[in-house]
Amino acid sequence: DAKTTQPTSMDCAEGRAANLPCNHSTISGNEYVYWYRQIHSQGPQYIIHGLKNNETNEMASLIITEDRKSSTLILPHATLRDTAVYYCIVRNEGNMLTFGGGTRLMVKP
Amino acid sequence: DAGITQSPRHKVTETGTPVTLRCHQTENHRYMYWYRQDPGHGLRLIHYSYGVKDTDKGEVSDGYSVSRSKTEDFLLTLESATSSQTSVYFCAIMDGEADTQYFGPGTRLTVL
Repeated sequence: DAKTTQPTSMDCAEGRAANLPCNHSTISGNEYVYWYRQIHSQGPQYIIHGLKNNETNEMASLIITEDRKSSTLILPHATLRDTAVYYCIVRNEGNMLTFGGGTRLMVKP
Repeated sequence: DAGITQSPRHKVTETGTPVTLRCHQTENHRYMYWYRQDPGHGLRLIHYSYGVKDTDKGEVSDGYSVSRSKTEDFLLTLESATSSQTSVYFCAIMDGEADTQYFGPGTRLTVL
């Protein structure tokens, strides 16, 4: 399974864009990139996923590089409620999600 | 929340006792999963099911068994609980149309 590398923690000012990077240099051609977040003690919350093209939904945007070796999750206007651990996951063909350590995003007023 | 509930939400038990956790879904999804999460770690897959009576092992299946006798319920059983099984357990379903897993609220289990 392709592994992902994320920074351990990041800070972001409230109202600014939060850009969370993820490296997945061993990703194969048919593996999707998924992003989830987990707010303290709650179940992981799905954010967005993509294969090759950039994706946007009501929560976030996902930018995937052309070589697919890295991606960035963008929260366009971070709020205090976006403080959470964000997981970047490469999903294998068996639909399994392998969670790493994630990035702890702290949104500050 | 994809119609997923877990019960109980909290449980304290003693070493050596059997424990069963229940995951219930209301939307007839075929795939269901059990994960555990320990402090400082991401989620790790215990077992999963791809249909009624069809289950398979995940990464950390030792000490756990599962059963799925009907589509809506996926049960996780600790035959003889140990302190190392103190954890938060999350159930998930795969929404085939959305191609996405959705997670339940979790069960916090403490084994004394």
